[in-house]
Amino acid sequence: NAGVMQNPRHLVRRRGQEARLRCSPMKGHSHVYWYRQLPEEGLKFMVYLQKENIIDESGMPKERFSAEFPKEGPSILRIQQVVRGDSAAYFCASSEDSNIQYFGAGTRLSVL
Amino acid sequence: AQRVTQPEKLLSVFKGAPVELKCNYSYSGSPELFWYVQYSRQRLQLLLRHISRESIKGFTADLNKGETSFHLKKPFAQEEDSAMYYCALGFGYQNSGGGADGLTFGKGTHLIIQP
Repeated sequence: NAGVMQNPRHLVRRRGQEARLRCSPMKGHSHVYWYRQLPEEGLKFMVYLQKENIIDESGMPKERFSAEFPKEGPSILRIQQVVRGDSAAYFCASSEDSNIQYFGAGTRLSVL
Repeated sequence: AQRVTQPEKLLSVFKGAPVELKCNYSYSGSPELFWYVQYSRQRLQLLLRHISRESIKGFTADLNKGETSFHLKKPFAQEEDSAMYYCALGFGYQNSGGGADGLTFGKGTHLIIQP
């Protein structure tokens, strides 16, 4: 089992561009979670998804951010019109039906 | 609102000395507490959870509901214990998806074990 796979590991965008972050959960896991980590901070929950459904998006910024987990393929976190404040590490986690979440290596987004 | 506090940003101890990483939480319901560890250049991984009551790599943590604490302890630190440690709070399954809710993390404690 390859574990939770995130790509790219590093992503550089200019202000106003779009960022797409991908996450493939562990095999057999149907629950995906996205977290954001700002410098010197802990991970902050953003959104929880199952296949084709957003279950809890209480931690997502109201504008420019969206997430999906289609029937086929990885989960995508999309940030439109990025700003410098979006620079952070974005982590994906997956779980099966337990409370144990397994984390990916993260995507480090830098906005110039 | 739920919150996790790790008061020490950095903790440095000598090899062989006891280690205690502090974690306090605020939550009105029945919490589930976790410790995650991130070694240098590795991904975040689960160290232990309170309901399993295991000892992993010599670490233990006891949930104290009266003090709302979940401190991580190890009697004799080893150099390979140097890492970032995050305390996290889970709330169970309050959503409609059948999976657990998202976790609330503390800011982390950087543990350095000196030789």
